[in-house]
Amino acid sequence: NAGVTQTPKFRVLKTGQSMTLLCAQDMNHEYMYWYRQDPGMGLRLIHYSVGEGTTAKGEVPDGYNVSRLKKQNFLLGLESAAPSQTSVYFCASSVLAGGPYEQFFGPGTRLTVL
Amino acid sequence: DAKTTQPNSMESNEEEPVHLPCNHSTISGTDYIHWYRQLPSQGPEYVIHGLTSNVNNRMASLAIAEDRKSSTLILHRATLRDAAVYYCILRDVDNYGQNFVFGPGTRLSVLP
Repeated sequence: NAGVTQTPKFRVLKTGQSMTLLCAQDMNHEYMYWYRQDPGMGLRLIHYSVGEGTTAKGEVPDGYNVSRLKKQNFLLGLESAAPSQTSVYFCASSVLAGGPYEQFFGPGTRLTVL
Repeated sequence: DAKTTQPNSMESNEEEPVHLPCNHSTISGTDYIHWYRQLPSQGPEYVIHGLTSNVNNRMASLAIAEDRKSSTLILHRATLRDAAVYYCILRDVDNYGQNFVFGPGTRLSVLP
């Protein structure tokens, strides 16, 4: 099992450009999440999905959109990148949410917006 | 989810035990206590979780206070590879996806 993979690993954008980050999991998990981590900080939830075709907002959703067309993939889109979106982005998945269920994290995507 | 409080940083010597504390005075009866760690330049990884009883696994032990208002992650013999940021997180059994809240965590340094 590859677990949770993220593409790309690094990206540099100019202000106003758009891009899509791809997260894939091969564990047949229902739940998937996108987080961002700014330097010296903990992770903050951007959006999450409770199953194929369903998404919901997390703590910091502004400026991002997501889609979950296939159960194994969760896409994070930036329509018009801003320097404030410079961060490391982590994807995660879990069998179910809440209580005892652990989250499995990807290796992260380091995004710089100039 | 209820909030947790951890020390910003701790130091340990290699091959000695490490006790990482976490306070969660507002924990509810259905909150599970999770610990994750984040090695440098990596995503967080699960360490252990528990509800009421102490728990052991191959990575660590989790000691939960009788009133559940605090817990301690125990690394029995710290290695250099255990240097990481450790996060203590509460997860309600009815929390369906949102806010797996990661605070700043405890940065553990392991000295050779």
